[in-house]
Amino acid sequence: AIQLTQSPSSLSASVGDRVTIACRASQGISSALAWYQEKPGKAPNVLIYDASSLKSGVPSRFSGSGSGTEFTLTISSLQPEDVATYYCQQFNSYPLTFGQGTRLEIK
Amino acid sequence: QLQLQESGPGLVKPSETLSLTCAVSGGSISNNNYDWGWIRQPPGKGLEWIGVIYYSGHTYYTPSLKSRVTISVDTSKNQFSLKVASVTAADTAIYYCARGDNSGLYGKSYFDSWGQGSPVIVSS
Repeated sequence: AIQLTQSPSSLSASVGDRVTIACRASQGISSALAWYQEKPGKAPNVLIYDASSLKSGVPSRFSGSGSGTEFTLTISSLQPEDVATYYCQQFNSYPLTFGQGTRLEIK
Repeated sequence: QLQLQESGPGLVKPSETLSLTCAVSGGSISNNNYDWGWIRQPPGKGLEWIGVIYYSGHTYYTPSLKSRVTISVDTSKNQFSLKVASVTAADTAIYYCARGDNSGLYGKSYFDSWGQGSPVIVSS
């Protein structure tokens, strides 16, 4: 199975900061990667698919990049409502797998 | 607007079978561009993909659960189901059903619509 490793596991940033979360795959997955935002008590919500495609309705401050084994989720200007846990997921091959999550807090 | 709704017992005894159903409304489960998956989240932990079913009935499961898991689909009722046999406390989790979008290049899915989640506790 393809393992996804996210870094950092948690981070704290100020409103307005640029925030970057990394996701590394144990083998190449082309661009078959999605990013999700999970808020407490809510189901995850997809932000990015195909590594860099913004899902309709998602604020433009979210962006994704990368291919192969190295991927990045960027929030260009952190907002209070972005407090959440973020997960990457690969859909290149079965079994589908998720990263372990990155918990984002406001400083 | 697509909606998914999980239903099933919130408490299951060890060694018994966990059964959940996901009712889909606002869209047809018989659509080639989508598949239907189950994902779970143990308390305080991350997301774990359980498996997926296509409307044709073809399934894929995660290897660690494959011997105990069955996912089935009922197109007449527009719903799909999950069974996990011989449960232990390690199966305690929130169970999500979700729609997978497989319309892209890779033929496999990211999840674009989720149920609200069904908490299941395994305890005697």
